Amino acid sequence: NAGVTQTPKFRILKIGQSMTLQCTQDMNHNYMYWYRQDPGMGLKLIYYSVGAGITDKGEVPNGYNVSRSTTEDFPLRLELAAPSQTSVYFCASSKASELFFGSGTQLSVL
Amino acid sequence: AQSVTQLDSQVPVFEEAPVELRCNYSSSVSVYLFWYVQYPNQGLQLLLKYLSGSTLVESINGFEAEFNKSQTSFHLRKPSVHISDTAEYFCAVSDSPTGGGNKLTFGTGTQLKVEL
Repeated sequence: NAGVTQTPKFRILKIGQSMTLQCTQDMNHNYMYWYRQDPGMGLKLIYYSVGAGITDKGEVPNGYNVSRSTTEDFPLRLELAAPSQTSVYFCASSKASELFFGSGTQLSVL
Repeated sequence: AQSVTQLDSQVPVFEEAPVELRCNYSSSVSVYLFWYVQYPNQGLQLLLKYLSGSTLVESINGFEAEFNKSQTSFHLRKPSVHISDTAEYFCAVSDSPTGGGNKLTFGTGTQLKVEL
């Protein structure tokens, strides 16, 4: 059972570099999400998608971009990495009221 | 607007002791409440939820939570914890019973540490 798969698991970026965090799900869920988790802050929603071709901003979208060309894939793009983007990133999909999370990407921007 | 408060950032407890993790919410509309658990180096997973009906809901591994509308609380309890319960626990509130993560507001989490 693959569920939600995120790659990479760890990454170190230099300030100003760009990268794409990959996320794919095999549960045929229409809804997908990107969260960031910072210590003591809980989870903050970055972007979400209600289906292929449709995306919308969450609570903290600045500095990020997303696309949703297929039901399965929902990549998150960081264009100009900044130290404030050091965090753990989680992709999730949902069926009704239950979210299914990937195992996370730990990103450090130095 | 809705919000969730988890007052305890860390709760240490000895194995086989009871535990309560507190969660209070505020919302101006109907609420739907959730507890998620995050084991070390993993993503969150749903532990239990209250959507309607009985105010006492249970998980398969012995946790329970009670929706208390008058006290705007949804505390998580377990009568006897095991070392494997060590994890971070997140309370969350939604204004939709079927809505997804875009409708959810998470608390800041409570780290439960079970000691021998």
